[in-house]
Amino acid sequence: DGGITQSPKYLFRKEGQNVTLSCEQNLNHDAMYWYRQDPGQGLRLIYYSQIVNDFQKGDIAEGYSVSREKKESFPLTVTSAQKNPTAFYLCASSIRDNSYNEQFFGPGTRLTVL
Amino acid sequence: DQQVKQNSPSLSVQEGRISILNCDYTNSMFDYFLWYKKYPAEGPTFLISISSIKDKNEDGRFTVFLNKSAKHLSLHIVPSQPGDSAVYFCAASKPYNQGGKLIFGQGTELSVKP
Repeated sequence: DGGITQSPKYLFRKEGQNVTLSCEQNLNHDAMYWYRQDPGQGLRLIYYSQIVNDFQKGDIAEGYSVSREKKESFPLTVTSAQKNPTAFYLCASSIRDNSYNEQFFGPGTRLTVL
Repeated sequence: DQQVKQNSPSLSVQEGRISILNCDYTNSMFDYFLWYKKYPAEGPTFLISISSIKDKNEDGRFTVFLNKSAKHLSLHIVPSQPGDSAVYFCAASKPYNQGGKLIFGQGTELSVKP
């Protein structure tokens, strides 16, 4: 059963702590993405990766870091430098880094920083 | 600068009637447009798309219309069903050789009343 998994679904952290959100896909997709959704706003691109060991900043990369050591995995670290980390985080993947290809989304992780 | 705008945060429609969701964009370089549907606490799912060389694309109860001169697209759902109640995001993309990333609107929450 192919798809994208994100864990955990809900995450709570204290202010000042780094936290890593997991994203795994078994769709054999080359490209993976991280988005952030805030109330009343659309999805904003944080980072994306076209191939293993390569990634690029999106529109709101400050305070975040990623790695792409395996094709299946694209973890996102929310660092203490991110000023407003509380949000709903969505991971997506597509066959290629080409928006003509449909992006498949995971179920999301809601991060709350206390 | 919001390049993709969905000016109606919410829409309420009676079951069986038509739902029309609107989306405006500012960048004439966008050449591909998509609609995603999102239930609460879940990731978005792809609904329908349209290339800028077309002005209409239909898939069952869903039709997307594109008016390039007005930089406007709309999603028509006929007939609307209670299960269509969700948040709908439109997204636009520039050609791949110009960045090709998806830019999302803020979303419109559709409520279909029985």
